[in-house]
Amino acid sequence: DVKVTQSSRYLVKRTGEKVFLECVQDMDHENMFWYRQDPGLGLRLIYFSYDVKMKEKGDIPEGYSVSREKKERFSLILESASTNQTSMYLCASTASGRNYEQYFGPGTRLTVT
Amino acid sequence: AQSVSQHNHHVILSEAASLELGCNYSYGGTVNLFWYVQYPGQHLQLLLKYFSGDPLVKGIKGFEAEFIKSKFSFNLRKPSVQWSDTAEYFCAVNSRNTGNQFYFGTGTSLTVIP
Repeated sequence: DVKVTQSSRYLVKRTGEKVFLECVQDMDHENMFWYRQDPGLGLRLIYFSYDVKMKEKGDIPEGYSVSREKKERFSLILESASTNQTSMYLCASTASGRNYEQYFGPGTRLTVT
Repeated sequence: AQSVSQHNHHVILSEAASLELGCNYSYGGTVNLFWYVQYPGQHLQLLLKYFSGDPLVKGIKGFEAEFIKSKFSFNLRKPSVQWSDTAEYFCAVNSRNTGNQFYFGTGTSLTVIP
């Protein structure tokens, strides 16, 4: 069974802290994605990666960075957390090629106080 | 960039009512189309997908969607909803030319009243 896991379901951090969100997939997928989900705004792409050590900015990369050192793992980093980064963060993966859907993790609800 | 519009933000239906959720996208080329569902407290899961062929696509739990290329639409339907269909529904588009990126609508929250 396809599986995408995220390191935490709930996280509370203080303003200015460095925050790491981790995502692991066991499907040998080439592509991995980080989204944030906010009410009324749907899913917005932060970053994606199409190969190890490769990354591309999505629609809202400001304040975030990513790391992909191994194929199965994709990390989202908030260098200095701010209250406007309070959100639900979703990780997804997909195989390369043209006709594949995304598989999602359970999400991490991050609260920055 | 592509855009995906879901015009119904919040829909409330009684059980056994019929459902249709609208989805329109902006890209004119060849696209892959998806509907995802997020039940309360659960992760996003695929409801159905269209890559090519028959424009009427059947998914899980009695859902179906119709791709109408001339209208850039991929509306989701179910003839008779159940209380357990209460969830948030997202339409998504992936252009074959852009490959890796998926574009999501803002979602439609469906509440089914028993």
